[in-house]
Amino acid sequence: AQTVTQSQPEMSVQEAETVTLSCTYDTSENNYYLFWYKQPPSRQMILVIRQEAYKQQNATENRFSVNFQKAAKSFSLKISDSQLGDTAMYFCAFITNFGNEKLTFGTGTRLTIIP
Amino acid sequence: GAVVSQHPSWVICKSGTSVKIECRSLDFQATTMFWYRQFPKQSLMLMATSNEGSKATYEQGVEKDKFLINHASLTLSTLTVTSAHPEDSSFYICSASRSAGADTQYFGPGTRLTVL
Repeated sequence: AQTVTQSQPEMSVQEAETVTLSCTYDTSENNYYLFWYKQPPSRQMILVIRQEAYKQQNATENRFSVNFQKAAKSFSLKISDSQLGDTAMYFCAFITNFGNEKLTFGTGTRLTIIP
Repeated sequence: GAVVSQHPSWVICKSGTSVKIECRSLDFQATTMFWYRQFPKQSLMLMATSNEGSKATYEQGVEKDKFLINHASLTLSTLTVTSAHPEDSSFYICSASRSAGADTQYFGPGTRLTVL
């Protein structure tokens, strides 16, 4: 079975600080894609960052970066210089390349940026 | 790019009536569209996957006769909740991807359904 675990239900951090959200996953596949999605209070799911499992280089998108450890099946998200607009629910997810091509989501981490 | 819209954003209906929700990919062709349901403070639960021109594939436990999905074109999928009941009240989200394989899904803004 494919699973995603987000062990931090809630986190809070001061504005401008750096925060890391953890995510571990389990799959027997070798080819897959990992994602972090953000769901702010508006409930619109927004793609934050995407990582291809075959790439060793960690993906970055402006203030957002990941630490992808394939052997450990870990995919953490680092948010630098956090902003009030980063307050949201963050979901880690992955999709495999073969067979069951559906997103598997974690339970989410509620992040609050404190002014 | 990769914008997905949903209409309506919220709807209130009486028990026993049917409600249709539209999902459109505005600036790309979506080979595959997905419908999710999200309960308060929970993750997304996949209801069904639809490919353009094909019948939708429903997840276990999802009633296909109650939740009718049509993916008539590469930019439009509809979810019809038939004979809605209060327990169908929820937040419904669609997503779309360009290809049928493992690909990035872009999400619509969601539709809040309240059945009285």
